[in-house]
This record gives sequence, structure tokens and C-alpha cells, in this order.
Amino acid sequence: AQSVTQLDSQVPVFEEAPVELRCNYSSSVSVYLFWYVQYPNQGLQLLLKYLSGSTLVKGINGFEAEFNKSQTSFHLRKPSVHISDTAEYFCAVSLNTGGFKTIFGAGTRLFVKA
Amino acid sequence: SAVISQKPSRDICQRGTSLTIQCQVDSQVTMMFWYRQQPGQSLTLIATANQGSEATYESGFVIDKFPISRPNLTFSTLTVSNMSPEDSSIYLCSVETDSFYGYTFGSGTRLTVV
Repeated sequence: AQSVTQLDSQVPVFEEAPVELRCNYSSSVSVYLFWYVQYPNQGLQLLLKYLSGSTLVKGINGFEAEFNKSQTSFHLRKPSVHISDTAEYFCAVSLNTGGFKTIFGAGTRLFVKA
Repeated sequence: SAVISQKPSRDICQRGTSLTIQCQVDSQVTMMFWYRQQPGQSLTLIATANQGSEATYESGFVIDKFPISRPNLTFSTLTVSNMSPEDSSIYLCSVETDSFYGYTFGSGTRLTVV
């Protein structure tokens, strides 16, 4: 069965420090990979996606992610975080099974401290 | 990408009553998706709503409890019926983005059942 694992439920980090939010997936079929951000009391916003091609994907707000097929990972990174990056981040996988059903990870809460 | 207006943004309801959540999209979309996000958890797909046909429900969700309407290509409703405290969650609607794969989400409805 397909699954998405976000390895850290919470990540505290100081402002201007780098951050990495980890995501691993398992699937027997090809997948498309996504990161979403959810700010407090808001819906989800697409940060970036990997469909094919270059394994390094750049998204909005200075975030990037790298697809590693051998390690089945799609970790999200930012070289220097801001207070405003404090939010819940969700890794998601869409399965290439005709219906492109999306499975979400449990989420990682990023706390950026001054 | 599409803009989704979802309402109400929050509500507190008595057990045994029903609440209807509305989603309006500013463009025509084929499929709309309804998700539930229980406290501290990730998103779970409830159903997929296509215009002109019955909604397709995921395992664990039934039409009697979560009836869905999709009268046209820009609008859908989800009703949470005969509510109990276990239904307290954030409910989100979603559509596929213009750029294919990846989704746009409404701002969510925070439901508390007392």
C-alpha cells in the first residue's frame, strides 16, 4: 500500500537558520510529489511539486525540494527561514493510477523563533 | 489558479443537527474534492464530486452521513448529518490547479460539535 511519512512532527528553528523537513514515501506505481503549507486558520497552499525532469524543484517563498528516487524521499529545504514561515507543512503524493488520488503525510509543524 | 470561497469559516453546532458547507469556485472545474482534517492530524479524502453524477466516497465515508451536491461546474456542498462530537474537524474543499496536478484548497470550515 502507498504511504507518506513525515519524519518530524515538530521542527523548532531560529530565524535565519536553515531548515529541512523530511518526507519519505512508498509506492509500487509512479508518483507525483507535492509540498503544501497551511498557515493558522487557513486552507492549504501549494508550495512546490515534482512531476518529472530535474529532481531539484524550486517553489514559492524560497523553498526547494529534492526528489531522490533511490531513497524514495522528497525533503523540503530553505536556507534561511523567517518568522512568517511558522506553519504546518504537508508532504503529499499523487498516485499515477488513473485517478491520481492524493495521499497526505501527517504534517510537520515548523516553529521559527526569534 | 482557481480561487475558492468556502463558508461558513467556522460553526459550533449541537449534536444531532446537520451543517451544510458551501464551496464556490471562480472558474469551471470538473472535479471537486472534500477533505476532513481532524484535530492535530492530516487530511483525509471524504469524497470526489463530479458535476452531474453521484459523488464517489472513500472507504469509511458514506452518503447518508456526508451527502454531497454538485449542481454545476463551479459549486458544491457537503452536509455533515446527525453530528456527534467526533465530527469536530476542519472540512476543506479542493480543486485541481490550472497547472495540472496539485490542488487549490478553500480556507476550510472549522466545525465544533457540542
